[in-house]
Amino acid sequence: DIQMTQSPSSLPASLGDRVTITCRASQDIGNYLRWFQQKPGKSPRLMIYGATNLAAGVPSRFSGSRSGSDYSLTISSLESEDMADYYCLQSKESPFTFGSGTKLEIK
Amino acid sequence: QVQLKETGPDLVQLTQTLSITCTVSGFSLTTYNVHWVRQPPGKGLEWMGAMWNGGGTDYNSAFKSRLSISRDTSKSQVFLKMNSLQTDDTAKYFCARSSAFDYWGQGVMVTVSS
Repeated sequence: DIQMTQSPSSLPASLGDRVTITCRASQDIGNYLRWFQQKPGKSPRLMIYGATNLAAGVPSRFSGSRSGSDYSLTISSLESEDMADYYCLQSKESPFTFGSGTKLEIK
Repeated sequence: QVQLKETGPDLVQLTQTLSITCTVSGFSLTTYNVHWVRQPPGKGLEWMGAMWNGGGTDYNSAFKSRLSISRDTSKSQVFLKMNSLQTDDTAKYFCARSSAFDYWGQGVMVTVSS
């Protein structure tokens, strides 16, 4: 199975900060990488697909990038509504696998 | 508009079978896949399996022979059945549309009780 190693597990940050979350894939997944945001008690929301493409309705302060087997989600200027859990997902091959999650919280 | 809704029991007894229905609207099951994902309380997301639009299925081997996914296209429903439930199967169970995971149901919280 493809392992997705996500870091950090927790990210204290201040409003206006630039923050980056990373997932490393254990095997080649090409650009079959998605990022989700999940707020307490809610369903996950697709933020980024194809590693770098912004999903519909997602603010432009979110972006996705890839460097080799490392995939990153960056928020350019943190807003209060961005405080949530974030997960990556590889959909290159079954079983699809999620990263372990990052809790983004106010410092 | 696109909607998915999971329905199922709140409580299931230890070793019994869990049955959850995902009823979809706004799209066809013969055009889009439906995936099942679960999340234990306070923990991360786990992919369980999928019903492909062509009628085939795929399962996470972690669930081996315990898990079964089926559908009724005439009713726009996808079914999850998992047997031999244990306490660590306590989780919120979600269905999601397609391998894009662009739409999700609100989830159903299932507690396995002894």
